[in-house]
Amino acid sequence: ETGVTQTPRHLVMGMTNKKSLKCEQHLGHNAMYWYKQSAKKPLELMFVYNFKEQTENNSVPSRFSPECPNSSHLFLHLHTLQPEDSALYLCASSQDGTTENTEAFFGQGTRLTVV
Amino acid sequence: QKEVEQDPGPLSVPEGAIVSLNCTYSNSAFQYFMWYRQYSRKGPELLMYTYSSGNKEDGRFTAQVDKSSKYISLFIRDSQPSDSATYLCAMSGVRGETSGSRLTFGEGTQLTVNP
Repeated sequence: ETGVTQTPRHLVMGMTNKKSLKCEQHLGHNAMYWYKQSAKKPLELMFVYNFKEQTENNSVPSRFSPECPNSSHLFLHLHTLQPEDSALYLCASSQDGTTENTEAFFGQGTRLTVV
Repeated sequence: QKEVEQDPGPLSVPEGAIVSLNCTYSNSAFQYFMWYRQYSRKGPELLMYTYSSGNKEDGRFTAQVDKSSKYISLFIRDSQPSDSATYLCAMSGVRGETSGSRLTFGEGTQLTVNP
């Protein structure tokens, strides 16, 4: 049990499909993140939510749409994706930026394949 | 120039060897330094966390930070086959950043410990 749960673990979708990734954290954190992990590249920060408010969008294409209904849940809505969007999508959470501890805790990830 | 540089490897060592993993960085604002371990098909898990310069030891693992050289290291003593994973360095800036724990990651070093 990592404290951060992501579903589904694997997803195959066509370029015209719409799907959503879900993340839930049970750690009482106030900040949540979406990262993209592609082969041979560093983790890329996509979105940051702090106290349910989006505080950062790292130049992510609009075909990725995040939603944070509360501090424990985070979604990533996907539509009209491209094959190059195939990657491991990781959700993470941490205490908010005003506290001393800044460790991020990750979920297991969703392995996305766009065909 | 990347903000964080990490040799991706792969690095292969015999069981019992001392492993040294390193990252360099360019942003002098980084204050918090972390090492994550990521097994195949899993999310990263926090291994070591260090604030500012100095050493931190936890069992077989030692993390070192040299801020004057902008260089961090992770040493693994008496390495085991179960240590085989990708090791990611990560770092973040000063307390109070409104974007929460905005981590910048290295590319990750793939380590294999052979029995």
